[in-house]
Amino acid sequence: DAGVIQSPRHEVTEMGQEVTLRCKPISGHNSLFWYRQTMMRGLELLIYFNNNVPIDDSGMPEDRFSAKMPNASFSTLKIQPSEPRDSAVYFCASSPTSGDTQYFGPGTRLTVL
Amino acid sequence: GEDVEQSLFLSVREGDSSVINCTYTDSSSTYLYWYKQEPGAGLQLLTYIFSNMDMKQDQRLTVLLNKKDKHLSLRIADTQTGDSAIYFCAESSVISNYQLIWGAGTKLIIKP
Repeated sequence: DAGVIQSPRHEVTEMGQEVTLRCKPISGHNSLFWYRQTMMRGLELLIYFNNNVPIDDSGMPEDRFSAKMPNASFSTLKIQPSEPRDSAVYFCASSPTSGDTQYFGPGTRLTVL
Repeated sequence: GEDVEQSLFLSVREGDSSVINCTYTDSSSTYLYWYKQEPGAGLQLLTYIFSNMDMKQDQRLTVLLNKKDKHLSLRIADTQTGDSAIYFCAESSVISNYQLIWGAGTKLIIKP
């Protein structure tokens, strides 16, 4: 099994630009999670989907952030416009159940200049 | 809300045992987890324990659960340099709708 796949692995962009992060969950998993990790705030859950439906987006920091899951094998997290404080590592994770045992991707390191 | 707490750092000598501790507040926890994060990598599921168990052993890893005190520990026997990582404790329960509640992570530092 390929595991959770994220792209890109690294992204450097300028303030104000749109950023799109991508995730392919493990096949057969029906829950998908987006996390953000920073030194200051640790690991934060941004949003999670169950059967492609967003269940809880209370962790999404602002309207600049949006996430979609058009099908069971693909999800995107978009930041528009990006700001320097969005710099972090963004992880995608998937779970075969409603969410307890989660399997993480390698993360996307985002730097906004 | 529910909370999971861990100390931020642990330093041990190579070859010694490491014991990483975690406390949680949710008395209805169903599963408790240990994840490992190596530098520049994602979180890797190490092991988990169901709340009706006291102990689980897997090779060099031993998980102990004291449900009365809401205390979880991870013991790594014969600690090696490859064990250097951040170890996250997490719990799930019906209260959290089975979503994971994460600790802040304990950075394990190995001294030669």
